[in-house]
Amino acid sequence: DSGVTQTPKHLITATGQRVTLRCSPRSGDLSVYWYQQSLDQGLQFLIQYYNGEERAKGNILERFSAQQFPDLHSELNLSSLELGDSALYFCASSVPSGRKETQYFGPGTRLLVL
Amino acid sequence: QQQVKQSPQSLIVQKGGIPIINCAYENTAFDYFPWYQQFPGKGPALLIAIRPDVSEKKEGRFTISFNKSAKQFSLHIMDSQPGDSATYFCAAFSGGYQKVTFGTGTKLQVIP
Repeated sequence: DSGVTQTPKHLITATGQRVTLRCSPRSGDLSVYWYQQSLDQGLQFLIQYYNGEERAKGNILERFSAQQFPDLHSELNLSSLELGDSALYFCASSVPSGRKETQYFGPGTRLLVL
Repeated sequence: QQQVKQSPQSLIVQKGGIPIINCAYENTAFDYFPWYQQFPGKGPALLIAIRPDVSEKKEGRFTISFNKSAKQFSLHIMDSQPGDSATYFCAAFSGGYQKVTFGTGTKLQVIP
């Protein structure tokens, strides 16, 4: 168990809908990262938040948005969903530690868009 | 555009063998190269990582070899065990998370 929790575990929805994925980082971790893992695209970094502020942006679509709240939990909002958004969405958290930053991944949310 | 090429896609070795997974990158700005292990139904877990100022790093049975001039790095698993059967991803980072690219993964099966 990495200490990172994600809810829900599974999500089935229809095209055009909007969903919110939630992530609670490990206690004390200030950074939260979101990743998308799909069969055809592999693992892709979406976005990073550090202590409530956006720190880095990866391949995140404009239909997707995220935020990190004062209690450090984070939400990833996916809107106008398309079939191709079906994937595993992982959250990870970390505290920078010297020259090595260790990320701890949550168990993921499996999203299926029908 | 794929910036990290990982091979092979899958690998079967016998227990005790030394599987080797290779990654090649293009962008010389990458400065952090981790390997992740992922079991079915679980999130990836950081296994070992290296920075370009060293050519080799060992942690337990896992070794990263790094060739800066060739822009390649590889993961070696010594004395592999059936419990090592998982998917392994390499990654390359630049400027923290300003640029992050993952390999496509290698599915390793270690047979008893």
